[in-house]
Amino acid sequence: KAGVTQTPRYLIKTRGQQVTLSCSPISGHRSVSWYQQTPGQGLQFLFEYFSETQRNKGNFPGRFSGRQFSNSRSEMNVSTLELGDSALYLCASSPGLAVNEKLFFGSGTQLSVL
Amino acid sequence: AQSVTQPDIHITVSEGASLELRCNYSYGATPYLFWYVQSPGQGLQLLLKYFSGDTLVQGIKGFEAEFKRSQSSFNLRKPSVHWSDAAEYFCAVGEVTGQLVFGAGTILRVKS
Repeated sequence: KAGVTQTPRYLIKTRGQQVTLSCSPISGHRSVSWYQQTPGQGLQFLFEYFSETQRNKGNFPGRFSGRQFSNSRSEMNVSTLELGDSALYLCASSPGLAVNEKLFFGSGTQLSVL
Repeated sequence: AQSVTQPDIHITVSEGASLELRCNYSYGATPYLFWYVQSPGQGLQLLLKYFSGDTLVQGIKGFEAEFKRSQSSFNLRKPSVHWSDAAEYFCAVGEVTGQLVFGAGTILRVKS
């Protein structure tokens, strides 16, 4: 079974631009979560989608948004990029049927904002 | 709010030596606890988890962790470390909503 796939692997953007990251979960998984990882703040939860609905949301500004499609693939969008948005963005999938199931993480998208 | 503390930012052990990585959590109810490992440039892989029951949990790659409610701890152990264990290790507590709150991580270096 293929793992969680995140594209692109690396991105370089400038301040003020917007960016879209993509995540394809493991086949059959209906829950997709996003996490931001930075050296200063560590791993922080962004949001979780289940069956095309946002089920949980972390404490990030509205510039961070996401969506999930009917095939469970998910996208994350960051508008008006700031230098502090430079981070590794990790996507994780799970069946989504129970709380605190095992999460399967992708390798992440490394975003650099110049 | 829930929180996780990993007191050691870096730990260096010799290959073949035993390992213990510390984790303390703050949580009001019985916690869901996890240990994840991250190799450079990779995502996170689950080593083990604790939900309830036996307080000594066995995981993959020869790791184990012990839940101690009285100490609010969930320390990770391995009796004999291999060079391939060099990585960053994260302890996490699961919220009732399912999101994970992670500790800051401990970087493990293995000396040959």
